[in-house]
Amino acid sequence: DIQMTQSPSTLSASVGERVTITCRASQSISSWLAWYQQKPGKAPKLLIYDASSLESGVPSRFSGSGSGTEFTLTISSLQPDDFATYYCQQYNSYSTFGQGTKVEIK
Amino acid sequence: QVQLQESGPGLVKPSETLSLTCSVSGGSISGYYWSWIRNFPGKGLEWIGYIYYSGNTNYNPSLKSRVTLSVDTSKNQFSLKLSSVTAADTAVYYCARHMTYSSKFDPWGQGALVTVSS
Repeated sequence: DIQMTQSPSTLSASVGERVTITCRASQSISSWLAWYQQKPGKAPKLLIYDASSLESGVPSRFSGSGSGTEFTLTISSLQPDDFATYYCQQYNSYSTFGQGTKVEIK
Repeated sequence: QVQLQESGPGLVKPSETLSLTCSVSGGSISGYYWSWIRNFPGKGLEWIGYIYYSGNTNYNPSLKSRVTLSVDTSKNQFSLKLSSVTAADTAVYYCARHMTYSSKFDPWGQGALVTVSS
């Protein structure tokens, strides 16, 4: 099965900072990758799909890039509402998730 | 818009069977794929399996021997049964919709915490 590795596991940042999270797949998944945001006690919320397509209603400060085995989620200017845990998901073969990246206030 | 709601016992004894139901409102269960995903406390997400509205299923190989999914289109519901549970199955269980057999999940239910303990 395809393993997804996210880095870093935890990220401390300030409001207004540019933030980048990386997700690596153990084999090529083309562009079959999604990013989710999860806040405590809530379900994950879809942000990005097909590696770089922004879900309707998601702020444009979120962007995704990559293909094959390496992908990134970028938040161009971190806002107070963005402090959360972020997961990547591959859907090239079945579905597997990264272990998550917690974005904390610096 | 479509909303999903998980329901079922919040406490299950070891070796017994965990049973959850996902009720779909605001739209039809027909024409879509429906998955169960679990979130371990303080850890990541694990896809359990999916069922198509027609009844076709596909399970995570690591759970295949213990998982059964079913669908009731007349009630706009689908269900999860996980047998022989242990404490390692304690998690928040989510149901979610997807458009093809392998795709992004959206929307998700609010989640149901299931604790395995005697």
